[in-house]
Amino acid sequence: DTAVSQTPKYLVTQMGNDKSIKCEQNLGHDTMYWYKQDSKKFLKIMFSYNNKELIINETVPNRFSPKSPDKAHLNLHINSLELGDSAVYFCASSQALSAGYTFGSGTRLTVV
Amino acid sequence: AQSVSQHNHHVILSEAASLELGCNYSYGGTVNLFWYVQYPGQHLQLLLKYFSGDPLVKGIKGFEAEFIKSKFSFNLRKPSVQWSDTAEYFCAVIILHRDNYGQNFVFGPGTRLSVLP
Repeated sequence: DTAVSQTPKYLVTQMGNDKSIKCEQNLGHDTMYWYKQDSKKFLKIMFSYNNKELIINETVPNRFSPKSPDKAHLNLHINSLELGDSAVYFCASSQALSAGYTFGSGTRLTVV
Repeated sequence: AQSVSQHNHHVILSEAASLELGCNYSYGGTVNLFWYVQYPGQHLQLLLKYFSGDPLVKGIKGFEAEFIKSKFSFNLRKPSVQWSDTAEYFCAVIILHRDNYGQNFVFGPGTRLSVLP
């Protein structure tokens, strides 16, 4: 069983569209995250949720909205997609005071 | 602000060469330290981690890392690399505070390792 699963794996869409990326973890972890990895492989945290509650919201455009229906899920919705949103988005989970993250396989978003 | 630096952007080695990738962090308090690997087209996987105790930690696939507190360093080593070690390597630090939920988990910029057959 995949510990942290993201869908879709690839997403190609036009500028201005709205899209969602889903993430689910079956590890029982309390905290989930979204990271953005740009073309230079730099990883930047976007959001962190602990038990469905937002605890980090880095400087991210408000076109990005995370939604956590329960502690096993953290979805990322993006409105009015822009070319600069093209990147790989990784979901991750951890226990509070954790030993590190378990990452999902990533979603490669390409905005054309 | 806390930061993690990795000395080399791109390292190119021949098979069987020894590897050392540098990692330094800028925080004087208690930290947990990690190395992650990202193989081409894949997600990040944990190689090894340091919490406390023996500063020399061994991870998967023959990797090890040494925590030197006085130098704020956590360098990754492997005595003999293989072509299959070609990947991006990320150092990461969790800075421990009370009630930490991982918000101070900071990644370095990554080092690309290319191993030539």
